[in-house]
Amino acid sequence: DGGITQSPKYLFRKEGQNVTLSCEQNLNHDAMYWYRQDPGQGLRLIYYSQIVNDFQKGDIAEGYSVSREKKESFPLTVTSAQKNPTAFYLCASSFHSPYGYTFGSGTRLTVV
Amino acid sequence: GQQLNQSPQSMFIQEGEDVSMNCTSSSIFNTWLWYKQDPGEGPVLLIALYKAGELTSNGRLTAQFGITRKDSFLNISASIPSDVGIYFCAGQLGNTGTASKLTFGTGTRLQVTL
Repeated sequence: DGGITQSPKYLFRKEGQNVTLSCEQNLNHDAMYWYRQDPGQGLRLIYYSQIVNDFQKGDIAEGYSVSREKKESFPLTVTSAQKNPTAFYLCASSFHSPYGYTFGSGTRLTVV
Repeated sequence: GQQLNQSPQSMFIQEGEDVSMNCTSSSIFNTWLWYKQDPGEGPVLLIALYKAGELTSNGRLTAQFGITRKDSFLNISASIPSDVGIYFCAGQLGNTGTASKLTFGTGTRLQVTL
């Protein structure tokens, strides 16, 4: 079955450590996105990529980094420079079409 | 970045009641979408609208694309407990490049009491 997979579902990180969140899709989608969601809040765009080997900053890119070496994969690294990293992270993908995004089931990151 | 204004922000309703929520924008969109997010999960697409004035149904859900292209409405009839969640609207300007990037609303949190 085609879909988008985020792993792990829950992640704990010590302060000062970098951590990488995985996002893989087998939908043959061109574009991929990372969003952050804080409790009771909406979706804020971190980074997006419209094509392999290219990505752009979203609204809250500071303290995060991404890569897009393969069409299927768009990992997000939360660096130690991100001052408040505890949040729910959502990955999404889409064609360049008016059919919306398909979202993964999210990764909940907690800094301990 | 821009976020669309959704109202109400949250609502508590009794099972069996109808629900209405709306989404407004200062700029036009050519596609409107409605998503539902269950607790701890990613949003799932409910309805997509592609033409100004369009009215589309999906079971107990009905959504409309405003004629000004700056707003959209979602109605849920005869609510049930599994309707609980956060509902997001999203607007899309075009099919290619940055125009295909979605702009999301602030969300409406729905809670249903028995």
